[in-house]
Amino acid sequence: QLQLQESGPGLVKPSETLSLTCTVSGGSISSSSYYWGWIRQPPGKGLEWIGSIYYSGSTYYNPSLKSRVTISVDTSKNQFSLKLSSVTAADTAVYYCAREERYCSSTSCYFDWFDPWGQGTLVTVSS
Amino acid sequence: EIVMTQSPATLSVSPGERATLSCRASQSVSSNLAWYQQKPGQAPRLLIYGASTRATGIPARFSGSGSGTEFTLTISSLQSEDFAVYYCQQYNNWPITFGQGTRLEIK
Repeated sequence: QLQLQESGPGLVKPSETLSLTCTVSGGSISSSSYYWGWIRQPPGKGLEWIGSIYYSGSTYYNPSLKSRVTISVDTSKNQFSLKLSSVTAADTAVYYCAREERYCSSTSCYFDWFDPWGQGTLVTVSS
Repeated sequence: EIVMTQSPATLSVSPGERATLSCRASQSVSSNLAWYQQKPGQAPRLLIYGASTRATGIPARFSGSGSGTEFTLTISSLQSEDFAVYYCQQYNNWPITFGQGTRLEIK
């Protein structure tokens, strides 16, 4: 059974960089069938897709966050990571990692749904 | 960016009754729509993908329908464990976007 687990600091100071890692167990991150994504949820609010990565290192970011986001993958550790720079209080949220289905036609590949998700980790931005 | 609008924001239904939740896309997403259930303090759980296909292990009382811009999640005969927040997500266009959620509460 595939499991994902987020880890990283729960408190980050304004203007600094938020760094989280997602460890995948029970399956390989190096599968051609999936992307690996980050999604966040501010307290009491809805879900926002941050970005996704393929095991080869190809990345896809939400345009609203693209200038501040870096997602990377370490296949040797079965992990992928998120860095969000220049954080403000608006970046306070529960951050989830998730496996994302990947569908490929003869010409292109597409993002699909997220399943399963990690349990999430709350990151608070405060001085 | 495609905007997903869910209605109502809150739905009050009695156990054993049927609940119907709606999700509307600002432009066609074909059948590239998923539904998730989220309980307090938990991660979202995939219920439906492809607008109408139940995910593994999801009870048959959950059903999805629709295509294009109008979608419905129906929960027949509500059980106590079904009271939660439900989100729709489109994956037809990049970037992926979610609806704001519908809270299903006990009447």
